Amino acid sequence: AQTVTQSQPEMSVQEAETVTLSCTYDTSESDYYLFWYKQPPSRQMILVIRQEAYKQQNATENRFSVNFQKAAKSFSLKISDSQLGDAAMYFCAYRSAAQGAQKLVFGQGTRLTINP
Amino acid sequence: DSGVTQTPKHLITATGQRVTLRCSPRSGDLSVYWYQQSLDQGLQFLIQYYNGEERAKGNILERFSAQQFPDLHSELNLSSLELGDSALYFCASSVLASYNEQFFGPGTRLTVL
Repeated sequence: AQTVTQSQPEMSVQEAETVTLSCTYDTSESDYYLFWYKQPPSRQMILVIRQEAYKQQNATENRFSVNFQKAAKSFSLKISDSQLGDAAMYFCAYRSAAQGAQKLVFGQGTRLTINP
Repeated sequence: DSGVTQTPKHLITATGQRVTLRCSPRSGDLSVYWYQQSLDQGLQFLIQYYNGEERAKGNILERFSAQQFPDLHSELNLSSLELGDSALYFCASSVLASYNEQFFGPGTRLTVL
């Protein structure tokens, strides 16, 4: 079974600075997808960014980018120019690419605080 | 707004009772997923339905059951409730494809007293 580990329960960063959230995963599969979800105080789960394992290029979405290291099974999220609205729980998630395997496996989450 | 709706938003009930949580997927999405978020277990996959049929099962208790109706809405039934069932229950939907995003609803907060 696949597992996802987020080793940083809490992180904080100054507004406008850059922060990196860590995620490692364990799988024997070669084809899969990785995601970062944001959960603000409203509790809504919002997709931040996604990465296909077969792509070598790291995904980017505006101020959000990932560092995907397939051999190391590492998938970190970098937030540049942090804003107060970035304060939230961030969850790393794994999904197999196997036919019919649609469930998301989540890490424990990292609570990000933005200091003004 | 993800387009996925869940009702009710909050539910408070007593141990031993039975409740039904409802989810309407985004228009066009055939697949519905249920997840449970609790303090001790984190976010866990419960069950998936695709076009009315059960597709995958996760850590779902025997006291819990779900179904997806012909109009594609889904219901999660929780019975013989225990204090430990208190959690946030999310529904998500997607188009079943090799590469698809799951869109989450706002969740139902269940409190068992």
